[in-house]
Parts: sequence; structure tokens; C-alpha cells
Amino acid sequence: ETGVTQSPTHLIKTRGQQVTLRCSSQSGHNTVSWYQQALGQGPQFIFQYYREEENGRGNFPPRFSGLQFPNYSSELNVNALELDDSALYLCASSPVGENTGELFFGEGSRLTVL
Amino acid sequence: AQSVTQPDIHITVSEGASLELRCNYSYGATPYLFWYVQSPGQGLQLLLKYFSGDTLVQGIKGFEAEFKRSQSSFNLRKPSVHWSDAAEYFCAVGAASGGSYIPTFGRGTSLIVHP
Repeated sequence: ETGVTQSPTHLIKTRGQQVTLRCSSQSGHNTVSWYQQALGQGPQFIFQYYREEENGRGNFPPRFSGLQFPNYSSELNVNALELDDSALYLCASSPVGENTGELFFGEGSRLTVL
Repeated sequence: AQSVTQPDIHITVSEGASLELRCNYSYGATPYLFWYVQSPGQGLQLLLKYFSGDTLVQGIKGFEAEFKRSQSSFNLRKPSVHWSDAAEYFCAVGAASGGSYIPTFGRGTSLIVHP
């Protein structure tokens, strides 16, 4: 069984640029959530996708957007990058038919904005 | 809105000693509660979860947690800590959203283990 995979693992961008992060969910999982984890902080919920529709959003501005594809993989897009966007971005998937909140995390994409 | 408080930013214990990490939550309904562990440079791994029933739940790696509704707490315990337990520990409460439950995480407690 393949777990949650994220790419790229590390990347560096400059302020004002745009970035796309990718996530492949674990086999059999149809829900994908994205979290932002700043240094020394807990993960902060960005949004969740279920059946290609956004199913909940945290307190993040519209320049954070996402997609989910028919194969349940997902993208996180961030436009007009700011220095404070530097963080570890975590993707997590959830099993089909279980609405318990248990998440299976990838190892994350470390974004540095200069 | 739901929230989680982990009052200890860092905890230092000696290998072999017992451990208790504190977690207090705020949520209007019956909560779904979780403990996750994050090793350096890694994603989060679920240690244990509470949904209903027995308030003492057992998890992986010898961890357990007790749900106390009267204290709004869900403290994590381990009777004997191993050096490999050094990591960041996150408590989370799952809140209902559009038919799903979305965990809200605390800021974490960093566990340091001395030999």
C-alpha cells in the first residue's frame, strides 16, 4: 500500500512568485486536506477536498487555492508569495466512508520564500 | 470554534522515566480527539484516537491517553520513555464540517529524552 506522497520536498521562491505543490493520496482515500506548519507551530488547516469539491476552508486568503483530480490527487497553489508563506506544507488523506477526522500525512513540502 | 491548548512547549525526561503530555480542548459537542507524533523532517503519524466508549485508549508505541470530559482534557502518557520517543507531539480535536471531521491541532510539545 502506497502512502501519501508529496512533491517537491523542498523549494525556494521569491516574494511575489507563484508555487504549486502536489500530493498523491493513499490508495483508497478520497479526501485530501492541506495544512501549513510554520516553524515551531502546529499544523494550520488550509482546506479540504472531497470528490473534487472544496469541503471546508480555514482562515487563509483566496491566493491559496487548490484542486482535486479524479484520481484523488491534489494540488495546492499559492499566488503572490509573501515571506510569511515560508513553512512546511502538509498533505493528508482520509479513507473512503470514514468521517472520523483521522488523517494520513505525507512528509511535506518545505517552502522558503526569500 | 474548537481549539486545543498544549501548555508545555518543551518536556525533558530521562530515558526509562514516565511521561505525561497535557492537552486541553474546547469544543461544544462530543469531541473526536487525537494524538499525533512528528519526528524531525517527517509528516505526522497517528498515535491514538478517542471517538467514544472507554475513556482510556491505547495507541501505538506503548502510548495511552485518557479522556476526561469534566476537565476537557486528553493527556498522553507512557510508563517508560525510550530515546526514540524524542519528537514533537500534537494533540488535535476533530470538528464536524460538511459531513467530515477536520482536526484542529495544538501548537505541539517537544519531547527531549536524556540518556
